[in-house]
Amino acid sequence: TQLLEQSPQFLSIQEGENLTVYCNSSSVFSSLQWYRQEPGEGPVLLVTVVTGGEVKKLKRLTFQFGDARKDSSLHITAAQPGDTGLYLCAGDRGSTLGRLYFGRGTQLTVWP
Amino acid sequence: GAVVSQHPSWVICKSGTSVKIECRSLDFQATTMFWYRQFPKQSLMLMATSNEGSKATYEQGVEKDKFLINHASLTLSTLTVTSAHPEDSSFYICSASIYNEQFFGPGTRLTVL
Repeated sequence: TQLLEQSPQFLSIQEGENLTVYCNSSSVFSSLQWYRQEPGEGPVLLVTVVTGGEVKKLKRLTFQFGDARKDSSLHITAAQPGDTGLYLCAGDRGSTLGRLYFGRGTQLTVWP
Repeated sequence: GAVVSQHPSWVICKSGTSVKIECRSLDFQATTMFWYRQFPKQSLMLMATSNEGSKATYEQGVEKDKFLINHASLTLSTLTVTSAHPEDSSFYICSASIYNEQFFGPGTRLTVL
């Protein structure tokens, strides 16, 4: 069982559409990160959210951390083909080693 | 920003041989390094956590005699896949951690024939 449930697993949309990816857990996280990964490359950090209820914006991407710090969402407005990739959420439970718990990932494809 | 390199970026080997993958933090000293395995279009699966100078901590189901981890310094960790078999073919990614923030390497594609 995954500590972080990420959905949807696959998303195929047309350019210009909006989408939301969710990460949910019954556990509390000290922080939650969102990554984007291209094929054959390592994950690249998009954002870290730390405070319950926090909202961060990165151009057309909006990230939200739940009030109870158990869930998070990524919303993309007016998706573009360049947004295509694997989106991963990962939570830190505050261990001394900084271990991350990854969701299953969302494979996003945006068609022109 | 913090940069992590991996070498090689890809490797093809025959079944039964051993393969060593290096992970280096180039501009910082990492307190901890992590090794992940990833299958196509799937998420990262943590294999082990290593700290410099101590034995690695392996996740349940990961054979420590199969996947040898050496963390020789604060900037270098190596993963050796011993007696590799086709089922070990995968994308291996390392990350280096400082102040509880992880920075990921570009990954190593291992193909075992």
